[in-house]
Amino acid sequence: RKEVEQDPGPFNVPEGATVAFNCTYSNSASQSFFWYRQDCRKEPKLLMSVYSSGNEDGRFTAQLNRASQYISLLIRDSKLSDSATYLCVVNTPGGSNYKLTFGKGTLLTVNP
Amino acid sequence: DTGVSQDPRHKITKRGQNVTFRCDPISEHNRLYWYRQTLGQGPEFLTYFQNEAQLEKSRLLSDRFSAERPKGSFSTLEIQRTEQGDSAMYLCASSLAHEQFFGPGTRLTVL
Repeated sequence: RKEVEQDPGPFNVPEGATVAFNCTYSNSASQSFFWYRQDCRKEPKLLMSVYSSGNEDGRFTAQLNRASQYISLLIRDSKLSDSATYLCVVNTPGGSNYKLTFGKGTLLTVNP
Repeated sequence: DTGVSQDPRHKITKRGQNVTFRCDPISEHNRLYWYRQTLGQGPEFLTYFQNEAQLEKSRLLSDRFSAERPKGSFSTLEIQRTEQGDSAMYLCASSLAHEQFFGPGTRLTVL
């Protein structure tokens, strides 16, 4: 089983749609969770951290279910500028404790 | 620009040649990471430095790969005797805490 698995995508949605991305992780000892965004041929950038109680940042809502080892990202009222690859990222415990493990990413295209 | 910088941005080389990439982290960041990303995949961890100490290396980092951070500031990643399978984007990131800031990457093509 891969350490971090995401919806394979791609997702094509119209502007204004709500879209949800799902992610599962294999190591129950994982400590920190993130969603990164990567535009085409650019570097990944942190979109938001994911907290146990769930957290919201404008149109973006992230949720974590430790029992199910499941992370989600919800984007409401999607914009053309939301088109990107969304990477689910988990802090891998042990060793340095700062190593990030990335999922393969889910490509989102928001259409006019 | 006070972000992470990488040089060169693109490198084309022939199989068997050696290549070296440089990363300059955000100045106050004591942690520096190297990742490799191939098409359709997320970045994969290669190695991690805290100051000048290399604290962790992935099994992906074969003996042809070596990384240094001699003064705890910039870092270099060298690949010896490059192979076509080394073609990828090599990303550097730095951090003070959990949030890692990535550089623009060096795209390596091995012919």
